[in-house]
Amino acid sequence: KAGVTQTPRYLIKTRGQQVTLSCSPISGHRSVSWYQQTPGQGLQFLFEYFSETQRNKGNFPGRFSGRQFSNSRSEMNVSTLELGDSALYLCASSFGTYSRDYGYTFGSGTRLTVV
Amino acid sequence: DQQVKQNSPSLSVQEGRISILNCDYTNSMFDYFLWYKKYPAEGPTFLISISSIKDKNEDGRFTVFLNKSAKHLSLHIVPSQPGDSAVYFCAASARSSGSARQLTFGSGTQLTVLP
Repeated sequence: KAGVTQTPRYLIKTRGQQVTLSCSPISGHRSVSWYQQTPGQGLQFLFEYFSETQRNKGNFPGRFSGRQFSNSRSEMNVSTLELGDSALYLCASSFGTYSRDYGYTFGSGTRLTVV
Repeated sequence: DQQVKQNSPSLSVQEGRISILNCDYTNSMFDYFLWYKKYPAEGPTFLISISSIKDKNEDGRFTVFLNKSAKHLSLHIVPSQPGDSAVYFCAASARSSGSARQLTFGSGTQLTVLP
């Protein structure tokens, strides 16, 4: 069974630009969560989408947004990029229900570098 | 407020010895706990988990212990191998909004197993 696919793997952008990252979850999974990983900060929760609706949101500015499509694929957008946005962005896929979800399957991430 | 804490950012252990990674939590609603392992430039991979109704779960060289009264869990790796060198994240799960489960991660511990 195919895993979680994130594209692109690497990205270099200039301050002020905007960027879109993509995540395709495991087939049958309806929930996609996004995390930001920076050195020493662990995994910071950005938001979660379930059935095309944002269900949970972390403590990030409005420059960070996302959406989910009817096939459960998700995109994350960051506008007006800042140097501090340089990080590994991870997508995690799950069924999205209380009784069936005890963990996530992660993609390999997109390494974003802002220069 | 960090609900899941890994107070040791790094740990070095000799090959063949025991590695003990610790994790503390504050939210009493957490009822499922997981450990993830992460290599550089890859997404975290699930390692082992434990339900709050148990105090120990074992899988090969990996054992997780849960002390609910102390709100503390630990991961034991015996014997440690150089391939175990990675960042280990502790995560906790509880029902969140709607019928969802959401994972809260600690900041990670870098384990280095010395040959």
